[in-house]
Amino acid sequence: DAKTTQPNSMESNEEEPVHLPCNHSTISGTDYIHWYRQLPSQGPEYVIHGLTSNVNNRMASLAIAEDRKSSTLILHRATLRDAAVYYCILRNEGSQGNLIFGKGTKLSVKP
Amino acid sequence: DTGVSQNPRHKITKRGQNVTFRCDPISEHNRLYWYRQTLGQGPEFLTYFQNEAQLEKSRLLSDRFSAERPKGSFSTLEIQRTEQGDSAMYLCASSLFTEAFFGQGTRLTVV
Repeated sequence: DAKTTQPNSMESNEEEPVHLPCNHSTISGTDYIHWYRQLPSQGPEYVIHGLTSNVNNRMASLAIAEDRKSSTLILHRATLRDAAVYYCILRNEGSQGNLIFGKGTKLSVKP
Repeated sequence: DTGVSQNPRHKITKRGQNVTFRCDPISEHNRLYWYRQTLGQGPEFLTYFQNEAQLEKSRLLSDRFSAERPKGSFSTLEIQRTEQGDSAMYLCASSLFTEAFFGQGTRLTVV
């Protein structure tokens, strides 16, 4: 699976939108972009995934660049509960294999 | 179904002892993954099962580590002759399609 690059940490204010960037310049055509997050003392949880088109679900939105070399996870209104480490992961769906985690972005949310 | 269950949640053992962890995945999930996570790092892949077949093993999985999933349901991870460097959170995840569901992990402390 190809590598991703994320900022180590970001800060946000409560009830404001948050844009978490991820670079994946070596992405291949069959790599899906997955986002997971890990709350303190919890296992990671799935947030969203996409291939080419932007995606929305109840947790977040995923904006994917036209060349697919970068993507942005958007939390529309951050809450204190969104403070977590966010991982951007590329996964070749053809293999259905494991998820390769990097260090992720630690998001802090200030009240 | 309450999700992926891991037992025990915490384990303290003396160096040189053997330990075994159990993971009960979500029913009917055919894929099961083991990860290890140390403080400040993302989860590191250890091994992956599809049904009862162990399809992939990381180089991190030394000969002191063994994992089984005998009937394609629950899985066990055994560490023999534990070392202080084995101290970590051991996470289990299961999936049927795209989304992987993680347990809360077993925290191992080797003293």
